[in-house]
Amino acid sequence: GENVEQHPSTLSVQEGDSAVIKCTYSDSASNYFPWYKQELGKRPQLIIDIRSNVGEKKDQRIAVTLNKTAKHFSLHITETQPEDSAVYFCAASPPGGGNKLTFGTGTQLKVEL
Amino acid sequence: GAGVSQSPRYKVAKRGQDVALRCDPISGHVSLFWYQQALGQGPEFLTYFQNEAQLDKSGLPSDRFFAERPEGSVSTLKIQRTQQEDSAVYLCASSLVHGVSGLNTGELFFGEGSRLTVL
Repeated sequence: GENVEQHPSTLSVQEGDSAVIKCTYSDSASNYFPWYKQELGKRPQLIIDIRSNVGEKKDQRIAVTLNKTAKHFSLHITETQPEDSAVYFCAASPPGGGNKLTFGTGTQLKVEL
Repeated sequence: GAGVSQSPRYKVAKRGQDVALRCDPISGHVSLFWYQQALGQGPEFLTYFQNEAQLDKSGLPSDRFFAERPEGSVSTLKIQRTQQEDSAVYLCASSLVHGVSGLNTGELFFGEGSRLTVL
């Protein structure tokens, strides 16, 4: 089955700096890669996703890149703000699985003033 | 409803008790998933329904875990003879579309989860 590894487990940045979170996956058939943000005690919420037919996607301060050959994808947050502080999870999904996601172990991002 | 609703939000059970966790997905959503999230970990897949059909239950950790969605809407996750290692947050998620071969197009919407503590 799919295995997703995520690094780093914790990340502390100063407000206004950029943050990068990296994930690798094992199943070359996986074709959908979402990122979820989870605040303490809250539900995971989708912030951005990318499909295997594109290499990069951007939405305001958030961008995701995908390298299919190397089987890794990354989340980039620019101009970080305190409200970006949360746990971020990457995930991967193979085709035909109805969006059955395999999640990474999460990155605790702390944006300091 | 406005989102995925789960109940109870918190459940404390004595070891050996049976528990039932309910999920009310977004109206009209075809796909429904159950995930287990241990403290400090990412959600782990348990089972998946497309309408009332349980298409994948490969993530259920033992035969003490059982899920159903008899009318293709509300789902119940039942855990029999609970053990301490069952303590976790159980997340339900729903999606409007189902995965057609080669396509995964539906965003998963998660509920707030049911936090189960087994003493």
